[in-house]
Amino acid sequence: GAVVSQHPSWVICKSGTSVKIECRSLDFQATTMFWYRQFPKQSLMLMATSNEGSKATYEQGVEKDKFLINHASLTLSTLTVTSAHPEDSSFYICSANGGAGGAKNIQYFGAGTRLSVL
Amino acid sequence: QKEVEQDPGPLSVPEGAIVSLNCTYSNSAFQYFMWYRQYSRKGPELLMYTYSSGNKEDGRFTAQVDKSSKYISLFIRDSQPSDSATYLCAMTSVDAGGTSYGKLTFGQGTILTVHP
Repeated sequence: GAVVSQHPSWVICKSGTSVKIECRSLDFQATTMFWYRQFPKQSLMLMATSNEGSKATYEQGVEKDKFLINHASLTLSTLTVTSAHPEDSSFYICSANGGAGGAKNIQYFGAGTRLSVL
Repeated sequence: QKEVEQDPGPLSVPEGAIVSLNCTYSNSAFQYFMWYRQYSRKGPELLMYTYSSGNKEDGRFTAQVDKSSKYISLFIRDSQPSDSATYLCAMTSVDAGGTSYGKLTFGQGTILTVHP
């Protein structure tokens, strides 16, 4: 199946610093990638949708200046949490639409990044 | 009312039991139906997906979709302790060309524990 790699798996940073999370599709080209945030014992909350070569579309309530998304190639999207604060501590997960035929409508997820802001 | 309703459980079963997980939905435009398994502090892992109505089987897992009732199910046979996880149903609609609009609508997730 389609494999999505996400790094780092866990990052601890000081308040005010920026953190970059990478999401790569390893064996397929992903024209669309998604970024989610998940709080403990809750379902996934979509933050933004990114298409290769264009600006990301953010969901209502998500600060685009705080969460910078870049999708420079068909296999790589990055999420940068700028000037992180403790309230940004969360589990961030990326996904990508992959495959051919009907599978192109299926999202494959990365392993997630646990962000802890001190 | 949420677009997708899923019983959050928790569900606890003995090893070897048959597990039934279900979701109901209200949007008749949904065409792709997925089941994901999520272990603690990991990303969701795709178990199965189904297009439109029907059944699909993969090993110990069977997915069923009944679009007339707006009801989907995942059955796990011979459940194992390693099946203990949160199970998420998800669904999406497609445009006239058969391409997904992209966004998934998730259920709340069902926490399953299979005890030895």
